[in-house]
Amino acid sequence: SQTIHQWPATLVQPVGSPLSLECTVEGTSNPNLYWYRQAAGRGLQLLFYSVGIGQISSEVPQNLSASRPQDRQFILSSKKLLLSDSGFYLCAWGTGYNEQFFGPGTRLTVL
Amino acid sequence: AQKITQTQPGMFVQEKEAVTLDCTYDTSDQSYGLFWYKQPSSGEMIFLIYQGSYDEQNATEGRYSLNFQKARKSANLVISASQLGDSAMYFCAMRGSSGSSNTGKLIFGQGTTLQVKP
Repeated sequence: SQTIHQWPATLVQPVGSPLSLECTVEGTSNPNLYWYRQAAGRGLQLLFYSVGIGQISSEVPQNLSASRPQDRQFILSSKKLLLSDSGFYLCAWGTGYNEQFFGPGTRLTVL
Repeated sequence: AQKITQTQPGMFVQEKEAVTLDCTYDTSDQSYGLFWYKQPSSGEMIFLIYQGSYDEQNATEGRYSLNFQKARKSANLVISASQLGDSAMYFCAMRGSSGSSNTGKLIFGQGTTLQVKP
């Protein structure tokens, strides 16, 4: 069966510090991968998606970047965090046609 | 542009009763998919049910059913025999075809918080 991992689970970072969130998927090959951000009490906003290694599409202009160095690894990064980057970050995988399956999420607080 | 609207920020239901969570959508695509997810306080997103735009029958999964009314562009979630563990936030989402081909991008509504009373 497929499993999706995210780490860390929680993170508190100062403004201006770098960020690296990692997501890995097990039990499937060549998945579509997605990064979402959720503000408190709100819906999910798609940040990036990837249909293959090295292929990254950005949905909104922002302070973040994404990379996919391996088939089942998706990384969300920032060189300098802003207060507005705080939120709940969710990684998901899918086949492109059916449902997406989500990881446990990372709760990021930027102080 | 595609859009999902959930007009109920919060809902209460008595344990063992049925509840309907509303979702309307806007799209110009002929082929699309509609999804419902549950998010407990832990934050994980749990897939509940899927309805394809060409499916003639309403989708059902256990106690969950999707009341799909294509002409009205609504895809309401019905939870029968509510349980205390159903208390969570519920999100409606849509995957379109134009511009998203096999990317599977989802657009989410703002969510409805459901509280089940004992």
